[in-house]
Amino acid sequence: NAGVTQTPKFQVLKTGQSMTLQCAQDMNHNSMYWYRQDPGMGLRLIYYSASEGTTDKGEVPNGYNVSRLNKREFSLRLESAAPSQTSVYFCASSAFLVGGGIEQYFGPGTRLTVT
Amino acid sequence: ELKVEQNPLFLSMQEGKNYTIYCNYSTTSDRLYWYRQDPGKSLESLFVLLSNGAVKQEGRLMASLDTKARLSTLHITAAVHDLSATYFCAVVTGGNKLVFGAGTILRVKS
Repeated sequence: NAGVTQTPKFQVLKTGQSMTLQCAQDMNHNSMYWYRQDPGMGLRLIYYSASEGTTDKGEVPNGYNVSRLNKREFSLRLESAAPSQTSVYFCASSAFLVGGGIEQYFGPGTRLTVT
Repeated sequence: ELKVEQNPLFLSMQEGKNYTIYCNYSTTSDRLYWYRQDPGKSLESLFVLLSNGAVKQEGRLMASLDTKARLSTLHITAAVHDLSATYFCAVVTGGNKLVFGAGTILRVKS
């Protein structure tokens, strides 16, 4: 049981290049999320997917697109990378808790630098 | 729009001392989470607080939630070096989305 996995772990892009960050979970969770983490700002939600076939914008969606390929996989695409997208990207999935609420499980992160 | 504020943002403690990290949030929510993050690592769930008055303890850490005051606290008792990390609180908003505080960097000096 690998939990939430992300690839790649590190990436350097030039401004204007495109790339896709991959995320997969093996816990049969319905909901998946993409966050970015910048120094001093905590994590901010980029996009989320409440269930297979649905996606919605989070707090900072501009410059990103997502695809919920199936229940396991949720990818994040940067079409034309900008230096402002230099960040650490975390994928997460969530399970419902007995008694209400959710528990989010985070992947190891992808460190992206755009030069 | 839900806003989550943590303070302090940086905390330098002596080993053996007690201290409290505060998490305030701006709109009604009865579910709050605390996470720990070590440098270069992912987030590790510490506590899930699901109702007003909830209190949870694990080792030297204790978390509580007061939904009326929109306040959660993370209390550290007799700090040890291994507790050095960044601590985040996060509050649930609509659609089971989390809004995170900026994080508190904790350094425990021996």
